[in-house]
Amino acid sequence: AQKITQTQPGMFVQEKEAVTLDCTYDTSDPSYGLFWYKQPSSGEMIFLIYQGSYDQQNATEGRYSLNFQKARKSANLVISASQLGDSAMYFCAMRGDFGNEKLTFGTGTRLTIIP
Amino acid sequence: EAGVAQSPRYKIIEKRQSVAFWCNPISGHATLYWYQQILGQGPKLLIQFQNNGVVDDSQLPKDRFSAERLKGVDSTLKIQPAKLEDSAVYLCASSLRPRDSGANVLTFGAGSRLTVL
Repeated sequence: AQKITQTQPGMFVQEKEAVTLDCTYDTSDPSYGLFWYKQPSSGEMIFLIYQGSYDQQNATEGRYSLNFQKARKSANLVISASQLGDSAMYFCAMRGDFGNEKLTFGTGTRLTIIP
Repeated sequence: EAGVAQSPRYKIIEKRQSVAFWCNPISGHATLYWYQQILGQGPKLLIQFQNNGVVDDSQLPKDRFSAERLKGVDSTLKIQPAKLEDSAVYLCASSLRPRDSGANVLTFGAGSRLTVL
């Protein structure tokens, strides 16, 4: 069974500062993928970034980077130079190995950017 | 490209009534998912289709929930009879390659918010 844990229910960050959202996971699959999604108040889940378990480098997408520490089973999302539009719920999710492709989500972190 | 379309966006019903949600995935996406998101929680998978066949429905309450995907395109999710605890947002998502060893990014619709009174 797969499990995603997000221990920060809410965070407040000053605009233009960097923020790290924590995510730890547990799986017995030898190969897996980790995702971060953003859910603004409109409700739609927006894909941000992906990290494969065998990727050699940490994933980056613009202002988003994923701090992947396989031995610690953590996949933290780092947002640099935060903007007011970054205020939303953020979900960490995991995909399992071949034949177990469904996404399992964590409980989310509500990020609020303060002007 | 057009996104994942869902309707209705909002629905209010009384317990024991029935409701149906519709989803039109991105054209060409083989895999379709229905997730349930209860307030304050992360989405939970209800059912996964590969074309028009069911891949995973292990968390679908089959005594009251049913889903179908006709011709491997559109899908409907039905609840009958509804219970208070079914109040949630029902998210539909689709992905292009179901057994891609890479990202297999799911694209989500805006969701259908159900309130059961």
